[in-house]
Amino acid sequence: QSVLTQPPSVSGAPGQRVTFSCTGSSSNIGAGYDVHWYQQLPGTAPKLLIYGNSNRPSGVPDRFSGSKSGTSASLAITGLQAEDEADYYCQSYDSSLSGWVFGGGTKLTVL
Amino acid sequence: QVQLQESGPGLVKPSETLSLTCTVSGDSISNSYWSWIRQPPGKGLEWIGYMYYSGTSNYNPSLRSRVTISLDTSKNQFSLKLSSVTAADTAVYYCARVTAAIDYWGQGTLVTVSS
Repeated sequence: QSVLTQPPSVSGAPGQRVTFSCTGSSSNIGAGYDVHWYQQLPGTAPKLLIYGNSNRPSGVPDRFSGSKSGTSASLAITGLQAEDEADYYCQSYDSSLSGWVFGGGTKLTVL
Repeated sequence: QVQLQESGPGLVKPSETLSLTCTVSGDSISNSYWSWIRQPPGKGLEWIGYMYYSGTSNYNPSLRSRVTISLDTSKNQFSLKLSSVTAADTAVYYCARVTAAIDYWGQGTLVTVSS
């Protein structure tokens, strides 16, 4: 059971908008710690997608956006493309554990 | 362009120590935090620990008693040692650079624990 909760799967058709949730608690997201998002394409290493809740690294399309509110964070993808099919993970810091925590990951299926 | 490459045995016997090295190019390991993350087959990511060149480190509480991360500035490498391994430690192990987040990852190396 992950400290950060993510739905196991999300799906959408090409061109649609999909969102991914990441639910934490008062010892991590709710305590103000930043949330980061990673994309893991099949058979590859994870790639940083969003850092500091809503910032995109250079090279990440603006179709990807992140937000945070209270004890939760969200990742949104607009204009869904087949190449977006991947696993998406959120990550933050937890003060109770005194360390980093990952969500369990959400698998995106592009219909 | 920052690049990281893991190396080490792909097979470790139960109760022995898993040892991996990460070779960094394109950045000095004196500049950032460096981390190890693992992913059991078909499962999610698990943070193992991180270290800064000054010696500051932090480890996953569930692994702390068995983990050591060290840096070799002369070789621009950092390493992971995980003792007393069991089958539950079978995973793809990633080394990574940490700035604002985990911004560069190695390609990962599968380590299987089996006799």
